[in-house]
Amino acid sequence: GQQVMQIPQYQHVQEGEDFTTYCNSSTTLSNIQWYKQRPGGHPVFLIQLVKSGEVKKQKRLTFQFGEAKKNSSLHITATQTTDVGTYFCAGDGGSQGNLIFGKGTKLSVKP
Amino acid sequence: NAGVTQTPKFRVLKTGQSMTLLCAQDMNHEYMYWYRQDPGMGLRLIHYSVGEGTTAKGEVPDGYNVSRLKKQNFLLGLESAAPSQTSVYFCASSYPTGLGTDTQYFGPGTRLTVL
Repeated sequence: GQQVMQIPQYQHVQEGEDFTTYCNSSTTLSNIQWYKQRPGGHPVFLIQLVKSGEVKKQKRLTFQFGEAKKNSSLHITATQTTDVGTYFCAGDGGSQGNLIFGKGTKLSVKP
Repeated sequence: NAGVTQTPKFRVLKTGQSMTLLCAQDMNHEYMYWYRQDPGMGLRLIHYSVGEGTTAKGEVPDGYNVSRLKKQNFLLGLESAAPSQTSVYFCASSYPTGLGTDTQYFGPGTRLTVL
């Protein structure tokens, strides 16, 4: 079945360093979403990318959707302790409204 | 506007016991979902519903049943709990906009331990 793979599983950075997580799908996606889950919290929607090659920015966060619509990345510039959490990508699962989630990248930031 | 709420927040069961997790949303969303989250496994879809009175199986439906008798509520039942069902359960809801895949709004989760 369809799979969404995400790497790395864990990333430890010093505050101020950059961070990137990558997402790859076994099939072409119509769109991809990114969610953030703070420790002890629930996933919260960050953004959706729809177009091939699309790039979107939210302050220090940059999201990209690959030209072939099979991969995506999230880059955080100059991480802060508030960026701590697990970042999930999610591709459309084909069925009505369903999402296939990657296993997430857990980010820790050392002050 | 409470969004998505889940009851209970925590529960400990013994093997073989049954229980029902309640999810409620006040956003008039058509679609609702139940996920389980285990360490290193991400979010896995158990069952989902695209409207009142309809349900469908997700990726890991075995051992669970669901019901959507009212649009705002989605119930997840465990008839005979097993230790393998120890997990954090998240409910989510979404509204079909026809623009890409719809944003899902998650509840705070229920932490279930089966001994």
